[in-house]
Amino acid sequence: NAGVTQTPKFQVLKTGQSMTLQCAQDMNHNSMYWYRQDPGMGLRLIYYSASEGTTDKGEVPNGYNVSRLNKREFSLRLESAAPSQTSVYFCASTRQGASNEQFFGPGTRLTVL
Amino acid sequence: AQSVTQPDIHITVSEGASLELRCNYSYGATPYLFWYVQSPGQGLQLLLKYFSGDTLVQGIKGFEAEFKRSQSSFNLRKPSVHWSDAAEYFCAVGAGGGYQKVTFGTGTKLQVIP
Repeated sequence: NAGVTQTPKFQVLKTGQSMTLQCAQDMNHNSMYWYRQDPGMGLRLIYYSASEGTTDKGEVPNGYNVSRLNKREFSLRLESAAPSQTSVYFCASTRQGASNEQFFGPGTRLTVL
Repeated sequence: AQSVTQPDIHITVSEGASLELRCNYSYGATPYLFWYVQSPGQGLQLLLKYFSGDTLVQGIKGFEAEFKRSQSSFNLRKPSVHWSDAAEYFCAVGAGGGYQKVTFGTGTKLQVIP
């Protein structure tokens, strides 16, 4: 049982390049989330998927797109990376229901030059 | 809209001393409250959660938190801090409904000195 896995762990991009961050969970969770973490800002929600087949914008969706490929996988795409997207990205998942805690992946550290 | 305030950005305590990390929330209904811990280079791990019942909740690693509705607070405590507790701590509030929309505080970084 690996929990939530993310790839890659580290990535350096040049401005304007694109990339996809991958996330998978093996806990049969319904809901999945993408956050970014910046110093002094805590975690901010980029996009979430309440259940398979649905996605919705979070607090800071601009510059990102997501795909809920199936129940296990939820990817985050940067179409044209900008230096402002330099951050640590976390994927999380949870069983449906507000009382259930989120399980987090180890994060992807992204630098955009 | 829900929000969370962690007023202390950085706290330093001596090993063996007691610890209290503050968290204030804003939410219109009964909140779902969480404390997470993040060790350097790691993801977040749940310490404890509250959504109903006893207002004093026990978590992992000897932590506890008390929900005080009148003060809109959910402070985290530990009677005796260990060097391994050095990490960043996040308070979070969850909304009700069919999915879990969680708002995180900005975090409190704990330093433990010998």
